[in-house]
Amino acid sequence: EADIYQTPRYLVIGTGKKITLECSQTMGHDKMYWYQQDPGMELHLIHYSYGVNSTEKGDLSSESTVSRIRTEHFPLTLESARPSHTSQYLCASSESPVETQYFGPGTRLLVL
Amino acid sequence: SQKIEQNSEALNIQEGKTATLTCNYTNYSPAYLQWYRQDPGRGPVFLLLIRENEKEKRKERLKVTFDTTLKQSLFHITASQPADSATYLCALDSDQTGANNLFFGTGTRLTVIP
Repeated sequence: EADIYQTPRYLVIGTGKKITLECSQTMGHDKMYWYQQDPGMELHLIHYSYGVNSTEKGDLSSESTVSRIRTEHFPLTLESARPSHTSQYLCASSESPVETQYFGPGTRLLVL
Repeated sequence: SQKIEQNSEALNIQEGKTATLTCNYTNYSPAYLQWYRQDPGRGPVFLLLIRENEKEKRKERLKVTFDTTLKQSLFHITASQPADSATYLCALDSDQTGANNLFFGTGTRLTVIP
């Protein structure tokens, strides 16, 4: 079992609310990622980070933002949630860019 | 355009048989390819990695092949068990942005029937 945690696991929230999805890993990995996955669809990379103070946008455009102030922590924030943000959000980390990725359990977000 | 295609959305096989899953890609030149397992409501779990200069990799009942000429990887589970039922994802790297990020296929949902 990988040492990467996500909270909350499930979130139901109204349109316009600000939300932060938490992701923490205790493996000391430099690289971290956020993916979005809709049912039956592939994972799409929305953000990644090479390390502290590094954040980059992934191949899928997203209205969310991320920060990386500490190595172990990579939160994702939506300033104003909309129904189109309803999805599963998966956080992952890896020791280096070409190594395997370790995934958290995911956060299922439902925006009403 | 770039594409990663996995052979079918769902595959049903009898317990004890060998399951073979296919991953085909176009317009990528990956240095390596990975296979992950994903159970419902969970994050993917890494299974195997194979590099472009390797033809085959094995781990217990799992075997992966990688043919860069055909642009295809095959993933085999021998002596399949009901506990092997899950969605299997292939993923490959792309260094087009210099980031070596992974790109994932949509997965094949395997059901092993007792």
